[in-house]
Amino acid sequence: ETGVTQTPRHLVMGMTNKKSLKCEQHLGHNAMYWYKQSAKKPLELMFVYNFKEQTENNSVPSRFSPECPNSSHLFLHLHTLQPEDSALYLCASSQGAGQAYNEQYFGPGTRLTVT
Amino acid sequence: AQKVTQAQTEISVVEKEDVTLDCVYETRDTTYYLFWYKQPPSGELVFLIRRNSFDEQNEISGRYSWNFQKSTSSFNFTITASQVVDSAVYFCALSEAMNGNKLVFGAGTILRVKS
Repeated sequence: ETGVTQTPRHLVMGMTNKKSLKCEQHLGHNAMYWYKQSAKKPLELMFVYNFKEQTENNSVPSRFSPECPNSSHLFLHLHTLQPEDSALYLCASSQGAGQAYNEQYFGPGTRLTVT
Repeated sequence: AQKVTQAQTEISVVEKEDVTLDCVYETRDTTYYLFWYKQPPSGELVFLIRRNSFDEQNEISGRYSWNFQKSTSSFNFTITASQVVDSAVYFCALSEAMNGNKLVFGAGTILRVKS
């Protein structure tokens, strides 16, 4: 299944580095999401984009900067991260932007380690 | 606010046993949607089922069945005759019509099926 792809799959970065995570969906959906999955916390919604517009920022620190140039692509720009930001970052997409009904389709995630 | 509780952190069963994963939710909305997702070791969450708040009919799909009871705010998931390939983390999630496409997940239940 290659509906939602994420690159890179693994990333190790120092606290002073700048890196970007990329997500692409091939499903024709119009909503995209970033989630953070830590070892000891439930899956946390970070950002929601509906029709390329950010509609949700779940109190995410500014060191995480999302970008959605079109409905098929989503980026997460990272800078000056902390070790506690180490986690699995999952991207998802769905039809029906803004609607609660639609199931989300997830990518395989990027395993991020901040040293 | 919407909330999902999966009280079982981890369950271990022997192959061919039946197992039930519990999910309890909280919501103030009258229109809401409940989901189950499976996360195998590869990391990608896989959509299993969606139910809306107006449809309490139980559903069966092969070895999987779901029991939705509004009276107890529960949406439990049963795997019949479990197999090793069922080993994964299972998440229950909730979205509310008033909150659009914001999905709130439970903490997940780790299911280990031993041969």
